[in-house]
Amino acid sequence: DAEITQSPRHKITETGRQVTLACHQTWNHNNMFWYRQDLGHGLRLIHYSYGVQDTNKGEVSDGYSVSRSNTEDLPLTLESAASSQTSVYFCASSESGLSYEQYFGPGTRLTVT
Amino acid sequence: AQSVAQPEDQVNVAEGNPLTVKCTYSVSGNPYLFWYVQYPNRGLQFLLKYITGDNLVKGSYGFEAEFNKSQTSFHLKKPSALVSDSALYFCAVKRNRGSTLGRLYFGRGTQLTVWP
Repeated sequence: DAEITQSPRHKITETGRQVTLACHQTWNHNNMFWYRQDLGHGLRLIHYSYGVQDTNKGEVSDGYSVSRSNTEDLPLTLESAASSQTSVYFCASSESGLSYEQYFGPGTRLTVT
Repeated sequence: AQSVAQPEDQVNVAEGNPLTVKCTYSVSGNPYLFWYVQYPNRGLQFLLKYITGDNLVKGSYGFEAEFNKSQTSFHLKKPSALVSDSALYFCAVKRNRGSTLGRLYFGRGTQLTVWP
């Protein structure tokens, strides 16, 4: 069955370190998204991609970057981790087209100490 | 501007009673509306969506939602709640035109608790 996976599921890192969170989907979806979930804020969009070599900034993109070199993967990099980036991160994917829903991965819980 | 509001942080209901989780939206143009559910330590799961057509949309696990254009609402409903329905519910909206085409905007979520 097609799926979307994230790794690692849990990560503890120190302030200032570079961290990369992996997202891999086997749906063959063109669209991929990264969100962070924080209490009281719901889900906020970090970056998104509508296809290979395409990336776009979301509403909370500062301190994060993504690259899309193939259809299946959209890794999220924290250039220099900050305590404010402690959160749960979700990756999602969807088919192209407005009517399609997004499918979510299981999430990565990141703690920056 | 586009936004989604879930006016209730928490909804509590007894098992067997009907439940409603409220959602209102504010987007220009015709919206595409979605409901998701999140169980503890899990990702979001798609429940149902409104694209066009009948205002009453049926989805997974016996849930349904009613689109009301005049009130800009898309409330989630279930005739008879189960304890297993206890979870965090998110409403989301997509614009169908403009520079932010295709992006999902989420509400802050409503925690539903169904007690036995």
